[in-house]
Amino acid sequence: GAGVSQSPSNKVTEKGKDVELRCDPISGHTALYWYRQRLGQGLEFLIYFQGNSAPDKSGLPSDRFSAERTGESVSTLTIQRTQQEDSAVYLCASSRRASVTSNEQFFGPGTRLTVL
Amino acid sequence: GNSVTQMEGPVTLSEEAFLTINCTYTATGYPSLFWYVQYPGEGLQLLLKATKADDKGSNKGFEATYRKETTSFHLEKGSVQVSDSAVYFCALSELQGAQKLVFGQGTRLTINP
Repeated sequence: GAGVSQSPSNKVTEKGKDVELRCDPISGHTALYWYRQRLGQGLEFLIYFQGNSAPDKSGLPSDRFSAERTGESVSTLTIQRTQQEDSAVYLCASSRRASVTSNEQFFGPGTRLTVL
Repeated sequence: GNSVTQMEGPVTLSEEAFLTINCTYTATGYPSLFWYVQYPGEGLQLLLKATKADDKGSNKGFEATYRKETTSFHLEKGSVQVSDSAVYFCALSELQGAQKLVFGQGTRLTINP
């Protein structure tokens, strides 16, 4: 079946503009994660959705960042009033959450965001 | 909080050399441990994992053993190939809540023919 898909693959925007990033998880995966990868660094957790539960937003760096997910399908990550430090690759991952020891996350190709 | 520290790169080796990339972690309890790989121009892929102490994960000739006593999960391969050139990330999965992945900073590996 299809893997996790993300769009756009690249986004260049001007400082101060809003951007919206999209993630389509693997069908049947109840859990969805957003991570950020800054140049030369590891991935940082941003937000987590599980079914209809309240999302875990503990990784969002500021209130300019928000995300939504409709049921167990598509998610959008929105960054308002973008800043240059928001430039990064934004990765989405999904998992079945079958058990605590079987939470393998499958990653999408990422969206490379460049804020000028 | 939980954290992962891995060997800084870049690492450059000749084909057929032995590879070790060190990874140590700090965590509450006994998390699952993972190695992810990012090949040039591709997305992040799971390479191998281990879910409890003394487990050995293996895939594509790579191995890593979950060492509770040293809180380590070092990646090894006996004979590397040019096609192994990639960035390797060590990660742990928290046991509670979101079970988010906590990543090391990544190690860029280049294999020369």
